[in-house]
Amino acid sequence: EVQLVESGGGLVQPGRSLRLSCAASGFTFNEFAMHWVRQAPGKGLEWVSGISWNRGSIGYADSVKGRFTISRDNAKNSLYLQMNSLGAEDTALYYCAKDYRRWLHPNWYFDLWGRGTLVTVSS
Amino acid sequence: QSVLTQPPSASGTPGQRVTISCSGSSSNIGSNTVNWYQQLPGTAPKLLIYSSNQRPSGVPDRISGSKSGTSASLAISGLQSEDETDYYCAVWDDSLNGPVFGGGTKLTVL
Repeated sequence: EVQLVESGGGLVQPGRSLRLSCAASGFTFNEFAMHWVRQAPGKGLEWVSGISWNRGSIGYADSVKGRFTISRDNAKNSLYLQMNSLGAEDTALYYCAKDYRRWLHPNWYFDLWGRGTLVTVSS
Repeated sequence: QSVLTQPPSASGTPGQRVTISCSGSSSNIGSNTVNWYQQLPGTAPKLLIYSSNQRPSGVPDRISGSKSGTSASLAISGLQSEDETDYYCAVWDDSLNGPVFGGGTKLTVL
Protein backbone atom coordinates (compact mmCIF):
# COMPACT_ATOMS: atom_id res chain seq x y z
CA GLU A 1 0.00 0.00 0.00
CA VAL A 2 1.24 3.47 -0.90
CA GLN A 3 1.38 5.45 2.31
CA LEU A 4 3.22 7.84 4.59
CA VAL A 5 3.10 7.38 8.35
CA GLU A 6 4.29 10.13 10.66
CA SER A 7 5.41 9.62 14.25
CA GLY A 8 7.26 11.40 17.04
CA GLY A 9 4.74 14.04 17.98
CA GLY A 10 3.69 14.78 21.53
CA LEU A 11 3.65 17.34 24.33
CA VAL A 12 6.88 19.27 24.75
CA GLN A 13 7.86 22.24 26.89
CA PRO A 14 8.79 25.57 25.30
CA GLY A 15 12.44 25.75 24.36
CA ARG A 16 12.83 21.98 24.10
CA SER A 17 13.40 19.78 21.05
CA LEU A 18 11.51 17.07 19.23
CA ARG A 19 12.25 14.85 16.24
CA LEU A 20 9.54 13.79 13.85
CA SER A 21 9.76 10.80 11.54
CA CYS A 22 7.88 9.79 8.42
CA ALA A 23 7.97 6.21 7.16
CA ALA A 24 7.23 5.76 3.45
CA SER A 25 6.04 2.59 1.77
CA GLY A 26 4.57 1.43 -1.52
CA PHE A 27 6.67 3.67 -3.78
CA THR A 28 10.34 4.29 -4.63
CA PHE A 29 11.15 6.75 -1.88
CA ASN A 30 14.56 7.78 -3.23
CA GLU A 31 13.06 9.08 -6.47
CA PHE A 32 11.02 11.92 -4.99
CA ALA A 33 11.41 15.13 -3.05
CA MET A 34 9.68 15.16 0.33
CA HIS A 35 8.17 17.88 2.49
CA TRP A 36 6.77 18.74 5.88
CA VAL A 37 3.57 20.81 6.09
CA ARG A 38 1.90 21.87 9.33
CA GLN A 39 -1.55 22.99 10.39
CA ALA A 40 -2.16 24.78 13.67
CA PRO A 41 -5.45 23.89 15.40
CA GLY A 42 -8.32 25.45 13.48
CA LYS A 43 -5.94 27.18 11.07
CA GLY A 44 -4.72 26.78 7.51
CA LEU A 45 -1.83 24.89 5.96
CA GLU A 46 1.76 26.09 6.19
CA TRP A 47 4.72 24.62 4.31
CA VAL A 48 7.56 23.98 6.74
CA SER A 49 10.41 22.41 4.82
CA GLY A 50 11.33 20.35 1.77
CA ILE A 51 14.25 18.17 0.66
CA SER A 52 15.15 16.85 -2.77
CA TRP A 53 15.61 13.18 -3.57
CA ASN A 54 19.37 13.26 -3.01
CA ARG A 55 19.48 15.90 -0.25
CA GLY A 56 21.09 18.28 -2.71
CA SER A 57 18.40 20.92 -2.32
CA ILE A 58 16.75 21.89 0.96
CA GLY A 59 14.34 24.69 1.80
CA TYR A 60 12.71 26.10 4.92
CA ALA A 61 9.93 28.50 5.72
CA ASP A 62 11.19 31.71 7.33
CA SER A 63 9.22 30.84 10.48
CA VAL A 64 11.40 27.78 11.18
CA LYS A 65 14.70 28.66 9.53
CA GLY A 66 17.60 28.17 11.93
CA ARG A 67 15.51 26.07 14.34
CA PHE A 68 14.31 23.12 12.27
CA THR A 69 16.39 20.67 10.22
CA ILE A 70 14.99 18.34 7.59
CA SER A 71 16.79 15.14 6.63
CA ARG A 72 16.14 11.82 4.93
CA ASP A 73 17.53 8.30 4.92
CA ASN A 74 16.78 6.71 1.56
CA ALA A 75 18.04 3.33 2.76
CA LYS A 76 15.35 3.38 5.45
CA ASN A 77 12.63 5.04 3.32
CA SER A 78 12.34 7.68 6.00
CA LEU A 79 12.02 11.43 6.31
CA TYR A 80 12.83 13.38 9.47
CA LEU A 81 12.30 16.80 11.00
CA GLN A 82 14.50 17.88 13.92
CA MET A 83 12.76 20.72 15.73
CA ASN A 84 14.71 22.82 18.24
CA SER A 85 13.83 25.85 20.37
CA LEU A 86 10.15 25.05 20.11
CA GLY A 87 7.58 27.71 20.93
CA ALA A 88 3.82 27.82 21.31
CA GLU A 89 3.58 28.98 17.69
CA ASP A 90 4.92 25.59 16.60
CA THR A 91 1.90 23.76 18.02
CA ALA A 92 0.34 22.03 15.04
CA LEU A 93 -0.45 18.83 13.23
CA TYR A 94 2.63 18.03 11.15
CA TYR A 95 2.06 16.29 7.81
CA CYS A 96 4.63 14.48 5.72
CA ALA A 97 3.99 14.99 1.99
CA LYS A 98 5.44 13.49 -1.19
CA ASP A 99 6.36 15.66 -4.16
CA TYR A 100 5.70 14.30 -7.62
CA ARG A 101 9.22 15.34 -8.72
CA ARG A 102 12.80 14.65 -7.59
CA TRP A 103 13.71 18.29 -7.01
CA LEU A 104 12.30 21.28 -5.14
CA HIS A 105 10.86 23.12 -8.09
CA PRO A 106 8.30 25.85 -8.86
CA ASN A 107 6.30 23.38 -10.94
CA TRP A 108 5.38 21.21 -7.97
CA TYR A 109 2.56 19.53 -6.19
CA PHE A 110 2.07 17.06 -3.34
CA ASP A 111 0.43 13.87 -4.53
CA LEU A 112 0.52 11.89 -1.28
CA TRP A 113 0.04 12.97 2.32
CA GLY A 114 0.32 11.19 5.64
CA ARG A 115 -2.28 11.50 8.37
CA GLY A 116 -0.09 13.75 10.49
CA THR A 117 1.44 13.74 13.96
CA LEU A 118 0.40 16.30 16.56
CA VAL A 119 2.98 18.50 18.27
CA THR A 120 1.85 20.48 21.29
CA VAL A 121 4.24 22.99 22.84
CA SER A 122 3.13 23.95 26.32
CA SER A 123 4.46 24.20 29.85
CA GLN B 1 -1.64 36.79 6.94
CA SER B 2 -1.05 34.51 4.01
CA VAL B 3 0.81 35.54 0.88
CA LEU B 4 -2.18 34.21 -1.08
CA THR B 5 -5.61 35.68 -0.40
CA GLN B 6 -8.72 33.51 -0.42
CA PRO B 7 -12.21 34.44 0.77
CA PRO B 8 -12.74 32.80 4.17
CA SER B 9 -16.11 31.45 3.10
CA ALA B 10 -18.22 30.65 0.07
CA SER B 11 -21.63 29.10 -0.36
CA GLY B 12 -24.08 27.75 -2.89
CA THR B 13 -27.15 25.60 -3.25
CA PRO B 14 -27.17 22.03 -4.60
CA GLY B 15 -26.66 21.98 -8.35
CA GLN B 16 -25.30 25.51 -8.45
CA ARG B 17 -21.87 26.56 -9.70
CA VAL B 18 -19.52 28.25 -7.25
CA THR B 19 -16.06 29.70 -7.65
CA ILE B 20 -13.34 30.27 -5.10
CA SER B 21 -10.71 32.88 -5.84
CA CYS B 22 -7.04 33.00 -4.92
CA SER B 23 -5.15 36.26 -5.29
CA GLY B 24 -1.39 36.50 -5.28
CA SER B 25 1.44 38.46 -6.85
CA SER B 26 4.02 38.38 -9.61
CA SER B 27 6.38 36.31 -7.48
CA ASN B 28 3.93 33.45 -7.06
CA ILE B 29 0.75 33.07 -9.14
CA GLY B 30 2.07 35.51 -11.74
CA SER B 31 4.99 33.24 -12.58
CA ASN B 32 4.10 29.71 -11.43
CA THR B 33 1.31 27.17 -11.69
CA VAL B 34 -1.37 26.84 -9.02
CA ASN B 35 -2.54 23.80 -7.11
CA TRP B 36 -5.79 23.33 -5.22
CA TYR B 37 -6.36 21.02 -2.27
CA GLN B 38 -9.55 19.84 -0.63
CA GLN B 39 -9.49 19.01 3.06
CA LEU B 40 -12.33 17.11 4.64
CA PRO B 41 -12.70 17.45 8.44
CA GLY B 42 -10.11 15.44 10.34
CA THR B 43 -8.32 14.24 7.23
CA ALA B 44 -5.21 15.12 5.25
CA PRO B 45 -5.53 17.43 2.25
CA LYS B 46 -6.30 15.87 -1.12
CA LEU B 47 -4.97 17.19 -4.44
CA LEU B 48 -7.85 18.54 -6.49
CA ILE B 49 -6.17 20.57 -9.25
CA TYR B 50 -2.52 20.79 -10.30
CA SER B 51 -0.70 22.91 -12.87
CA SER B 52 -3.54 25.47 -12.58
CA ASN B 53 -6.11 23.46 -14.56
CA GLN B 54 -5.26 19.75 -14.50
CA ARG B 55 -7.30 17.18 -12.65
CA PRO B 56 -5.72 14.08 -11.08
CA SER B 57 -7.40 10.83 -11.95
CA GLY B 58 -10.53 10.32 -9.89
CA VAL B 59 -11.42 14.01 -9.60
CA PRO B 60 -14.74 14.63 -11.42
CA ASP B 61 -14.82 16.99 -14.39
CA ARG B 62 -17.36 19.22 -12.65
CA ILE B 63 -14.31 20.56 -10.80
CA SER B 64 -12.02 22.89 -12.75
CA GLY B 65 -9.26 25.39 -12.23
CA SER B 66 -8.05 28.47 -14.07
CA LYS B 67 -5.41 31.15 -13.78
CA SER B 68 -5.12 34.65 -15.13
CA GLY B 69 -2.35 37.06 -14.27
CA THR B 70 -1.83 37.02 -10.52
CA SER B 71 -5.14 35.35 -9.68
CA ALA B 72 -6.51 31.84 -9.85
CA SER B 73 -9.93 30.29 -9.41
CA LEU B 74 -11.43 26.96 -8.49
CA ALA B 75 -14.86 26.25 -9.92
CA ILE B 76 -17.24 23.56 -8.73
CA SER B 77 -20.36 22.99 -10.79
CA GLY B 78 -23.31 20.76 -9.95
CA LEU B 79 -22.68 21.47 -6.27
CA GLN B 80 -23.23 18.50 -3.97
CA SER B 81 -23.48 18.21 -0.20
CA GLU B 82 -20.22 16.26 -0.17
CA ASP B 83 -18.44 19.36 -1.50
CA GLU B 84 -19.01 21.13 1.81
CA THR B 85 -15.51 21.40 3.25
CA ASP B 86 -12.29 23.47 3.15
CA TYR B 87 -10.33 24.38 0.02
CA TYR B 88 -6.78 25.71 -0.25
CA CYS B 89 -4.84 27.18 -3.14
CA ALA B 90 -1.08 26.72 -3.20
CA VAL B 91 1.76 27.93 -5.39
CA TRP B 92 5.54 28.25 -5.38
CA ASP B 93 6.75 31.70 -4.35
CA ASP B 94 9.98 32.76 -6.05
CA SER B 95 10.79 35.34 -3.36
CA LEU B 96 10.32 32.91 -0.47
CA ASN B 97 11.80 30.04 -2.51
CA GLY B 98 9.16 27.59 -1.39
CA PRO B 99 5.46 26.72 -1.61
CA VAL B 100 2.86 28.97 0.00
CA PHE B 101 -0.77 28.24 0.78
CA GLY B 102 -3.80 30.45 0.79
CA GLY B 103 -5.65 30.92 4.05
CA GLY B 104 -8.36 28.50 2.97
CA THR B 105 -12.02 28.83 2.03
CA LYS B 106 -14.81 27.03 3.81
CA LEU B 107 -17.49 26.04 1.31
CA THR B 108 -21.01 25.65 2.61
CA VAL B 109 -23.76 23.91 0.64
CA LEU B 110 -27.01 25.56 1.67
